[in-house]
Amino acid sequence: DTEVTQTPKHLVMGMTNKKSLKCEQHMGHRAMYWYKQKAKKPPELMFVYSYEKLSINESVPSRFSPECPNSSLLNLHLHALQPEDSALYLCASSGTDETQYFGPGTRLLVL
Amino acid sequence: AQSVTQLGSHVSVSEGALVLLRCNYSSSVPPYLFWYVQYPNQGLQLLLKYTTGATLVKGINGFEAEFKKSETSFHLTKPSAHMSDAAEYFCAVTPGGGKLIFGQGTELSVKP
Repeated sequence: DTEVTQTPKHLVMGMTNKKSLKCEQHMGHRAMYWYKQKAKKPPELMFVYSYEKLSINESVPSRFSPECPNSSLLNLHLHALQPEDSALYLCASSGTDETQYFGPGTRLLVL
Repeated sequence: AQSVTQLGSHVSVSEGALVLLRCNYSSSVPPYLFWYVQYPNQGLQLLLKYTTGATLVKGINGFEAEFKKSETSFHLTKPSAHMSDAAEYFCAVTPGGGKLIFGQGTELSVKP
């Protein structure tokens, strides 16, 4: 099973709201990732967690706050977002061979 | 720095025709190479990967790719296109350490 699940599928939020995106995998993978993808573009890496610790932050604005409660879960907390943050947010996980498996994504619209 | 170049942002083929999507990479170390497919409003699905060993790699849905070190290429092919193959295709390379470097993507259209 190579499934990564993400909730919610769609999210609409105002610029003053606080919301969270959730990601889960049960493949025993020790690395998990958040990506942002704009239309017709490749995914852009935001954060990498390795063994539940943040290992890469690609200079992401502080209005995005990742959290890894345990080895199977990854959250992305959103606060005071801007309209330009509207995008597809993808979660991925990988094991020792570094093959990344992606979830279906959360389509975020910031009004 | 590693990079990936996909030739052609848009490729159109007729149903039943050969599919060829081109990918060239630059890497100072032996890379791991991947092809992903993305259908509209969905996440990325792994088509195939090359890590070590046999340079001709077979993937899902009848796709295959050949790693050619001398040409720094990893082109994706399928002998006979199907309407359901219409999607965005991304080539990617990882030098290790958790980063995946993507090409700009190629949109494949399949005409009936």
